[in-house]
Amino acid sequence: EDQVTQSPEALRLQEGESSSLNCSYTVSGLRGLFWYRQDPGKGPEFLFTLYSAGEEKEKERLKATLTKKESFLHITAPKPEDSATYLCAVQAFSGNTPLVFGKGTRLSVIA
Amino acid sequence: DADVTQTPRNRITKTGKRIMLECSQTKGHDRMYWYRQDPGLGLQLIYYSFDVKDINKGEISDGYSVSRQAQAKFSLSLESAIPNQTALYFCATSAGAFTDTQYFGPGTRLTVL
Repeated sequence: EDQVTQSPEALRLQEGESSSLNCSYTVSGLRGLFWYRQDPGKGPEFLFTLYSAGEEKEKERLKATLTKKESFLHITAPKPEDSATYLCAVQAFSGNTPLVFGKGTRLSVIA
Repeated sequence: DADVTQTPRNRITKTGKRIMLECSQTKGHDRMYWYRQDPGLGLQLIYYSFDVKDINKGEISDGYSVSRQAQAKFSLSLESAIPNQTALYFCATSAGAFTDTQYFGPGTRLTVL
């Protein structure tokens, strides 16, 4: 069974304090790993897709990396507007099953 | 205009009532999904449809039904609402391409009294 585990469940940072969020996964052949951002009461917003181990993608203060067992979302010098829940999801290679989502990491950045 | 729209955005109803939540998309995607989200539980898949003639149960389909009226429309019904169905409901779509990125609607906040 495909599974995604995200840690920590919640993270509180001071503005400018860099850190990383973890997404560990087990899947029967990985086609893609996805990161989403979700603001309270709103729909998840797509950030990145990673396809193979060693791949990295960046967007502003966010950088996502991928290994064969996990992905990290690195947040460099975060600002209060980066506060959100970050969701990770995986797609199995068959492509005929929906994405499997983790429960998310709730990030709070304090000014 | 938003690519994925949901109506209503907020709904308060009473136990035992039948409720329909509607989702429409202009992205031209074949695949559509319904999720519910409760605090601390993440997204739970209720039903999904890979094309107009295809409907599949997700992990929590009991108490729910769906209808795929057209490629662009996917409705979720609660036949007899109960208080523990109080939650935030999201519709999502995807193209079914090699990389099946899902795009989410703004959500419907449902309260069952």
